[in-house]
Amino acid sequence: EAQVTQNPRYLITVTGKKLTVTCSQNMNHEYMSWYRQDPGLGLRQIYYSMNVEVTDKGDVPEGYKVSRKEKRNFPLILESPSPNQTSLYFCASSWKEVDRTEAFFGQGTRLTVV
Amino acid sequence: SQQGEEDPQALSIQEGENATMNCSYKTSINNLQWYRQNSGRGLVHLILIRSNEREKHSGRLRVTLDTSKKSSSLLITASRAADTASYFCATDAGSGGGADGLTFGKGTHLIIQP
Repeated sequence: EAQVTQNPRYLITVTGKKLTVTCSQNMNHEYMSWYRQDPGLGLRQIYYSMNVEVTDKGDVPEGYKVSRKEKRNFPLILESPSPNQTSLYFCASSWKEVDRTEAFFGQGTRLTVV
Repeated sequence: SQQGEEDPQALSIQEGENATMNCSYKTSINNLQWYRQNSGRGLVHLILIRSNEREKHSGRLRVTLDTSKKSSSLLITASRAADTASYFCATDAGSGGGADGLTFGKGTHLIIQP
């Protein structure tokens, strides 16, 4: 089954404790992306990757890091989480071709930083 | 930066009625996509309409696109309780499209009353 898998689904952590949210896709997509979703603000892109070893900042990259060492994986790293990073996070992937750009989303990671 | 703006922000209708929601955007696009999100879960792709298309159908969904007005509408006919969800439009203005090129609006929350 074609899917994007995020882990964990829920996470409560303390300020300053480094954490990683994993994302994996099994569709051989070139593009992968991370979004955060906050009430009243919609989805905002954090980082995206066009292929292995190619990443770029989205609209709200501050406080986040990503890496793309393999095509299927795109982890999101919070080196020193703060309460304002409490949010619902989504990973997405898609093909690169112009006419096949629909994004496939993971189920989300609800992060609470206390 | 967010480009799509859905209207209305919230919509409540009776089961069996049609639901119409609109999306306006600001810049030229390759295509426009609509997604559904059930409460707290990942977004699911519904339909993609290319910039050279004016109307597209998929089951009970009908999407229109007016590039001169930079607007799109999503019509759900014969609504069902299971259609209760948030609906997002996403514009693809990127050169290669995909997860990096999608810009989402804030969504329309649709409630179908039984």
